[in-house]
Amino acid sequence: EAGVAQSPRYKIIEKRQSVAFWCNPISGHATLYWYQQILGQGPKLLIQFQNNGVVDDSQLPKDRFSAERLKGVDSTLKIQPAKLEDSAVYLCASSFEALAGGQETQYFGPGTRLLVL
Amino acid sequence: AQSVAQPEDQVNVAEGNPLTVKCTYSVSGNPYLFWYVQYPNRGLQFLLKYITGDNLVKGSYGFEAEFNKSQTSFHLKKPSALVSDSALYFCAVRGLVTGRRALTFGSGTRLQVQP
Repeated sequence: EAGVAQSPRYKIIEKRQSVAFWCNPISGHATLYWYQQILGQGPKLLIQFQNNGVVDDSQLPKDRFSAERLKGVDSTLKIQPAKLEDSAVYLCASSFEALAGGQETQYFGPGTRLLVL
Repeated sequence: AQSVAQPEDQVNVAEGNPLTVKCTYSVSGNPYLFWYVQYPNRGLQFLLKYITGDNLVKGSYGFEAEFNKSQTSFHLKKPSALVSDSALYFCAVRGLVTGRRALTFGSGTRLQVQP
């Protein structure tokens, strides 16, 4: 079974530029998450999708971050304009919602390492 | 709000010795608890989880974790450490808010196994 795919793996941009990350979840996984992991910290949720609908985007800085999951499969996370503090690893995860109640395991992709100069 | 604490930034252990990585949590109601491992330039790999039932959970690569409700802890253990176990370990908790299934992670513990 193929895992969660992410691209690009690395990205270097200057502040105020825009950048986009792509994620392809495990086949059949209805729920998709984007997390931000700043160096030395644990991952923090940015946004959660259930199929193509947003379940939780309470921690997404909506003035500069946007995300979509058209057709309920692939997802794109965009930052425009980027700030220095956006330098982090952006992790995509997916899970199969066979059961209600959150028992399912989240599987993570390799992440995209972003450096904003 | 739910939270996870990993009190040790780094744990050092000699190869062949037992290891423990500590985790305590705070959440309303019964928790779902997870351990993940992260190798350099890699994403998080799932090790094990506690949902309900037996307090001792067995996972991948010989790891296990003990759920202690009274101490709100979920410590990760392994009877005999390997050099290849050296990595960054994250404990995570998920509360029972309907629909909101995101994990809350601790800050991570770096495990260093010396040969």
